[in-house]
Order: sequence, then C-alpha cells, then structure tokens
Amino acid sequence: GAVVSQHPSRVICKSGTSVKIECRSLDFQATTMFWYRQFPKQSLMLMATSNEGSKATYEQGVEKDKFLINHASLTLSTLTVTSAHPEDSSFYICSARDATSGYNEQFFGPGTRLTVL
Amino acid sequence: DAKTTQPPSMDCAEGRAANLPCNHSTISGNEYVYWYRQIHSQGPQYIIHGLKNNETNEMASLIITEDRKSSTLILPHATLRDTAVYYCIVRVGDSGYALNFGKGTSLLVTP
Repeated sequence: GAVVSQHPSRVICKSGTSVKIECRSLDFQATTMFWYRQFPKQSLMLMATSNEGSKATYEQGVEKDKFLINHASLTLSTLTVTSAHPEDSSFYICSARDATSGYNEQFFGPGTRLTVL
Repeated sequence: DAKTTQPPSMDCAEGRAANLPCNHSTISGNEYVYWYRQIHSQGPQYIIHGLKNNETNEMASLIITEDRKSSTLILPHATLRDTAVYYCIVRVGDSGYALNFGKGTSLLVTP
C-alpha cells in the first residue's frame, strides 16, 4: 500500500512551452500533497504545499504564476511549469501525506526528470 | 524543526552492518526522528521513525540515545542496493507539514 505515482517519468521540451506533471496517490486519500525540486547533487527543496480543494501555498522564491498547482481531488495533484526555460530543468518530486496515518508519514513519487532545451 | 547533523559520506562493505549516525541535540519532547533514503534518480523512501524507544522493522533498526540528542540507523546486512543518500529528519509527529531535507549521508556499499 501507500503508493504514489508520477507521470511522466521523463520529459524533454523546448524553451517556452508548458509541461504538466501529474502526481497520484494510488491506494490512499491524500488531503495534502507536496511538490519538491532537486537540482543535481543537491537536496530536495520544497516548492509548494497543496491541499485538496484550496489554493497551494508556495515557498519563498517560487513563482506561483510559473509553477501552477492544482489539487482537485484526494488522489491527484498536478504541477504545470509554464513557459519553461533551461533553468527549470530539474528533478521534480511529489509526496503525499496519508492523513489517516497519524505519524506524518509521507510517501514519495518516483520523480519526473524535466529537461528544457 | 530541530536541526540535524549527519556525516556527508560513509562506506560500508557488502554484508556488514551499516551504522549511520545523526545528531539532533535541540530535539523537542514531541519531535520524532524520521529516516528516509533516496536512491539515485528516485523519489525518497521512508525507512523508519521513532520517538524515544528503539525501533526495528524489516528494513532497519533505529537506536535513539536516552537523552534523545542523537540516533543511529542500522542496516544489519548492507547490500549494494542500499547505496543511497540517507536523510535524518526531526519532526513533530503529526504536524502535517512538509519534510525538511538536509544534506544527508551518502552511503556507498562496496562489494
């Protein structure tokens, strides 16, 4: 149990295009999902917190108009990178919190490797 | 969240126990110690967590000192597939907030 999937696993796009990444909790309901970004040889950096049915909360320095997050259901959150540029190339990882666990266990997706040419 | 300190890297021979230390001297009474690991180019994987008692599961054991200022994650029989970055995170049990990943320990298991 407690599986989180991400799609796509890898995407290459041209500069200026938009890319949507999906994050799904497959066997539990996730009232909260988190989006992280990881640059090479660095640790995970939180981008935003997404609560089902409400607007996402973005970390300082993360442009909310560039990284659009939608969490319309208890099992799906999407991250759209709008007008992507080469500096947005990174490993994007989502996690979902099982609200019933009581111990803040968070389950992570496998990540999406974005390369912007 | 209390700050954690981990060595940047460690080596371990395959089949031997890997003991990964973590210092968290400012831990509060209601904060748990969580361990995650990240294999290269994958999402982090939950390993184990504990409050003050030692914990064991199918993956690892967690030893927390009596004063709770430090802990050790033990992989009893390390395999090559255990090569990963291991993160020690201190967190209130049910805060609902994101995990704050530090730099972790890069564990290399060698044949």
